[in-house]
Amino acid sequence: EDQVTQSPEALRLQEGESSSLNCSYTVSGLRGLFWYRQDPGKGPEFLFTLYSAGEEKEKERLKATLTKKESFLHITAPKPEDSATYLCAVKAGQAGTALIFGKGTTLSVSS
Amino acid sequence: DTAVSQTPKYLVTQMGNDKSIKCEQNLGHDTMYWYKQDSKKFLKIMFSYNNKELIINETVPNRFSPKSPDKAHLNLHINSLELGDSAVYFCASSQGLGVGTEAFFGQGTRLTVV
Repeated sequence: EDQVTQSPEALRLQEGESSSLNCSYTVSGLRGLFWYRQDPGKGPEFLFTLYSAGEEKEKERLKATLTKKESFLHITAPKPEDSATYLCAVKAGQAGTALIFGKGTTLSVSS
Repeated sequence: DTAVSQTPKYLVTQMGNDKSIKCEQNLGHDTMYWYKQDSKKFLKIMFSYNNKELIINETVPNRFSPKSPDKAHLNLHINSLELGDSAVYFCASSQGLGVGTEAFFGQGTRLTVV
């Protein structure tokens, strides 16, 4: 069964303290790995798509990387406004499948 | 201009009632989804429609019935509501069924069954 596991469940950082979130996956035929950000009371907001091992993408203080078994979301010098739940999701198997989500990492950044 | 909009945002109802949640997207996408987020924040696919045709129907009770009158709308009707149906329901849309088609989500409908 396709599975996505995120760690840690919760992460508290001081402003400016860089760290990484992990997403490990067990799927048959990865077709894409997605990162989303979700703020309380809102829907997930798309951040990145990664397709193959070795790929990296950046957006402001966020950088996503992908290996054959996991993805990392690196947060450099975070600010309080980066506080949110970060969700990892995969598409696997045949075309037309929906996203399979992990349970998310809730990030809190204090000033 | 909201890309994916759901109504209502909050829904409180009694057990046994029938209720509907509406979803509309103005992105011109041809694929729409319903996801359920439980109390532990876990998002799980329920249904997917492509060009008004049902593509994905996960193991969801028959009390849940999606309806897509056109490509821009996907409504969710729930019969005989149960306490366990309490959750946040998200509508989403994407362009096509391909790999790189990221989904755009609505703001969610928080359903509380009492």
